[in-house]
Formats: sequence, structure tokens, C-alpha cells
Amino acid sequence: EAQVTQNPRYLITVTGKKLTVTCSQNMNHEYMSWYRQDPGLGLRQIYYSMNVEVTDKGDVPEGYKVSRKEKRNFPLILESPSPNQTSLYFCASRLQELGSPLHFGNGTRLTVT
Amino acid sequence: AQRVTQPEKLLSVFKGAPVELKCNYSYSGSPELFWYVQYSRQRLQLLLRHISRESIKGFTADLNKGETSFHLKKPFAQEEDSAMYYCALFSGGYQKVTFGIGTKLQVIP
Repeated sequence: EAQVTQNPRYLITVTGKKLTVTCSQNMNHEYMSWYRQDPGLGLRQIYYSMNVEVTDKGDVPEGYKVSRKEKRNFPLILESPSPNQTSLYFCASRLQELGSPLHFGNGTRLTVT
Repeated sequence: AQRVTQPEKLLSVFKGAPVELKCNYSYSGSPELFWYVQYSRQRLQLLLRHISRESIKGFTADLNKGETSFHLKKPFAQEEDSAMYYCALFSGGYQKVTFGIGTKLQVIP
């Protein structure tokens, strides 16, 4: 089944403890991206990648890192999480073709205390 | 900078009434526009894309470049349409994606 898989679904951590949220897709999509969803703010793009070893900042990249060493994986790294990074995170991928939609993962609910 | 505006955070309609969810965008190039739906904080699902001019679940949306709008319409609302709806704009070569803040559609039985 074609899908985007995120892990974990839920994560509770403490301020400053490094964490990684994994994202994997099996559709051979070139483009992958991360978003955070907050009440009243909609989805905001954190980082995106147009292909292996090509990443760029979205609108809210501060406090996050990403890497794209393989086409299928695009992990989101929080080196030193803070409470303002408590949010619902979504990973998504798409083909690099006009009109190709984003395919979303199930989301990761992160709480930083 | 690109921008997507969804002016209504909440839209309540009665079952069987027409629905129009507004989306206006600001972008200097040729945009790709999409509507996504999200049920109860689940994953976002594609509803419509401007390029295909299709109708999904009775919803349609037309890109109006003159008014820079991509409003979502349905002639007769159903209870199962209750959800969050997001309008999204994909920029050209740099592939940035901008979402509106979303409109919660509430269909009253």
C-alpha cells in the first residue's frame, strides 16, 4: 500500500532532550516536507526536500533540523526541544510533477514539558 | 511572499444548504492550488486540485486568477462534510507550500 509512515504517533519529552521523528514513504517521491499544525495557525512548513541531499527551509525552521540521505526517508530532528515546539507534526511527500498532490502521514503529537 | 487567506475560521450551515468555503491567494507566479480535508485531527486528505477541474464528494472549486481566488463549493451540504478544510498553494520552482489557517465546516442536522 502506498503510504507515508511517521513514527512515533505520540511523544512526550522534556526540555532539551534531543529527539528524532522519522518519516518514510514508499512511493518513490522526490519531494518530502514537514509541517507543524497549531490551533488557529493552520499548517506551517518547517523544512522541505526536493531530492536526496537537497533540503531547504520553510516558514518556521528555527529549532529543527532535517536530513535526506535516502530518497524514502526524511527525519525531523529537534536537537534541544522547547515547550513552544509542542505541536502536531505531519510529514508529506509528492511527485515533482505539476498538479501532483501531497500525501500525508498520520501525524506525530509531540509534547515538550 | 506567498499568502493564502481563508477568512472564516468557522462556517455553520444546515444540512441540504449550499456551502462555499473561501480561499484567496497572493502569489506573483503561476500557482498550484489544492483543497485538503481533515477529519478529527487525522491526516490531511486531498480533496481537489485546480489543475484537474474534477468534482469530489460533490465539491468543486474553480481557480479565478483575476480575483486570485479558489473557493470551494457544494450545492447541498451533508452531515459527513463536517471537517476542517485547508486551502494550499504550491509555489513554482522552489516548491514552498503555504496553507491557509483552515475553515471548520459544521453541518447542522
